Amino acid sequence: EPEVTQTPSHQVTQMGQEVILRCVPISNHLYFYWYRQILGQKVEFLVSFYNNEISEKSEIFDDQFSVERPDGSNFTLKIRSTKLEDSAMYFCASSREHNSPLHFGNGTRLTVT
Amino acid sequence: DAKTTQPPSMDCAEGRAANLPCNHSTISGNEYVYWYRQIHSQGPQYIIHGLKNNETNEMASLIITEDRKSSTLILPHATLRDTAVYYCIVRVPLGNAGNMLTFGGGTRLMVKP
Repeated sequence: EPEVTQTPSHQVTQMGQEVILRCVPISNHLYFYWYRQILGQKVEFLVSFYNNEISEKSEIFDDQFSVERPDGSNFTLKIRSTKLEDSAMYFCASSREHNSPLHFGNGTRLTVT
Repeated sequence: DAKTTQPPSMDCAEGRAANLPCNHSTISGNEYVYWYRQIHSQGPQYIIHGLKNNETNEMASLIITEDRKSSTLILPHATLRDTAVYYCIVRVPLGNAGNMLTFGGGTRLMVKP
């Protein structure tokens, strides 16, 4: 069964550094998402992406965050200057249609020191 | 999106049916009910969704009351691997925004031998 893959599984970075989290969505899916989960807290929506542009974003997704689909297969989340509070699991997801279920990857654990 | 209420935790004996309730009394006519689960720190996993009719797939059954104000997810023969946090989410898929989901606290299901 096709799945969403995320790399790396664990990323450690220093405060103020830029990080790029990478995702390969399911190949025939059209909608892409990033979520995050701070340890012990709820899964939070960050951004949705369709037709090469952001379609919706949450308050968390400020100017420090950006997303890109640089080619036909990858979907990336960039954090420009990481803060300690950015430490979390970051989940990528994709869906085939706007009303289809989301399929999630197993996440990247980001640790900012 | 309509608010959902789930018990914070439940236990179930291995091999027995697990019945997970969800209240969504403010649901509107075009909102779907989705169920996802999260095993330990993995990405959320889609289970099932429905609008009005009861639904069944290889993982579970979804029973939606006639007034749609509540639903029950049924795992017919729970196994230890079904131990997870189960999320009930009500959502109207909105065009280009895709299927953005808002996760609550969910129900932590513990399946015991």
